Amino acid sequence: EVQLVQSGAQVKKPGQSLKISCKGSGYSFTDYWIGWVRQMPGKGLEWMGVIYPGDSDSRNSPSFEGQVTISVDKSNNTAYLQWSSLKASDTAIYYCARLGQQSKIDYWGQGTLVTVSS
Amino acid sequence: DIQMTQSPSSLSASVGDRVTITCRASQNINNYLNWYHQKPGKAPKLLIYVVSSLQSGVPSRFSGSGSGTDFTLTISSLQPEDFGTYYCQQSYTTPQLTFGGGTKVEIK
Repeated sequence: EVQLVQSGAQVKKPGQSLKISCKGSGYSFTDYWIGWVRQMPGKGLEWMGVIYPGDSDSRNSPSFEGQVTISVDKSNNTAYLQWSSLKASDTAIYYCARLGQQSKIDYWGQGTLVTVSS
Repeated sequence: DIQMTQSPSSLSASVGDRVTITCRASQNINNYLNWYHQKPGKAPKLLIYVVSSLQSGVPSRFSGSGSGTDFTLTISSLQPEDFGTYYCQQSYTTPQLTFGGGTKVEIK
């Protein structure tokens, strides 16, 4: 069974750093792109960027360029989303998602709630 | 960047009603259009991919159509469990994707 399991909720202060994770299982992790999706409170889905675990090719969406870093540890079947300096506006639920055949998102993580507040 | 515009942004309908949601792309995306359903507090789920292919396990009351820049999701007979928000998503520029703004469906 394919699963994407994300790390738990985080509460941080503005200016702090953070790295959240997404562990894949039940499939060949290196063969599928993993993307990250932001959902701000009460808002829609935003595609942040994507990484191919096979060669670590990562691409941020223009709106998120310079704001976050996407990385992967293929030896551990885990993708990461990282901030160096959080802002209150980073408060959101973050989902990881697998791009399956025909570029459909066929599996999602359960989401990680990140709260940034002083 | 390709922009995806959904309409309406919200709707209220009764059980048994036929519901139609539209999605317009800012440029031709061929058939690279998928639909998702999200219930409150849950991750989205794939309903339809490449315009009209039903994801395994999705009820046949859901259908998709369209081409080029204009696409439609139809629920032939709305059920109580269909409440939530529906999103279209283009994958023409894969692996960079774009979502529509969402359509919130409420049951009267």
